[in-house]
Amino acid sequence: GQQVMQIPQYQHVQEGEDFTTYCNSSTTLSNIQWYKQRPGGHPVFLIQLVKSGEVKKQKRLTFQFGEAKKNSSLHITATQTTDVGTYFCAVATSGTYKYIFGTGTRLKVLA
Amino acid sequence: GAVVSQHPSWVICKSGTSVKIECRSLDFQATTMFWYRQFPKQSLMLMATSNEGSKATYEQGVEKDKFLINHASLTLSTLTVTSAHPEDSSFYICSARALRDSRYGDIQYFGAGTRLSVL
Repeated sequence: GQQVMQIPQYQHVQEGEDFTTYCNSSTTLSNIQWYKQRPGGHPVFLIQLVKSGEVKKQKRLTFQFGEAKKNSSLHITATQTTDVGTYFCAVATSGTYKYIFGTGTRLKVLA
Repeated sequence: GAVVSQHPSWVICKSGTSVKIECRSLDFQATTMFWYRQFPKQSLMLMATSNEGSKATYEQGVEKDKFLINHASLTLSTLTVTSAHPEDSSFYICSARALRDSRYGDIQYFGAGTRLSVL
């Protein structure tokens, strides 16, 4: 089946440092979504990327979709303690309405 | 934003009993609902896709007779774990999509999840 890998698996950063997580798919994607899950909570939708090479920004978060539509990245500038959680990408391929979640990147921010 | 209610949030049961989990979209009609399973510190594993008015589509390796899914209406889907055993203990999360409602677009809205412990 389709595999969606995220790297790194874990990341500890000092507050104020930047953070990036990468999402890689073995197949070409129709679109990709990013979610954040706080410890003990449920996934919360962040953004959806559809177009090849697309870049979207939400305050300190920057999302990018690869040109080949097989990978994506999420970059957080100047992390804060509120950024703590696990970030998942969720991918969909053409012809299907289901989303497969990536392995996730757990972020810890040290104050 | 759209709200998805999942109930119960936590359940403990004896081995061999069945447990029903409900997932409701409160302010939109969910044409598609998804059921996921999540083990501690792991990703969400898609179990099945449930479309209103049709049978659920199960992912490979998920037992249909073990995990019964019913999408009874446009606002309700249920997952029944039949004859639960300790290995079924996990965090189960549902999500709902409202493709027909342009207010919410092609986004999954998640319930708060149900933590199942089978003794």
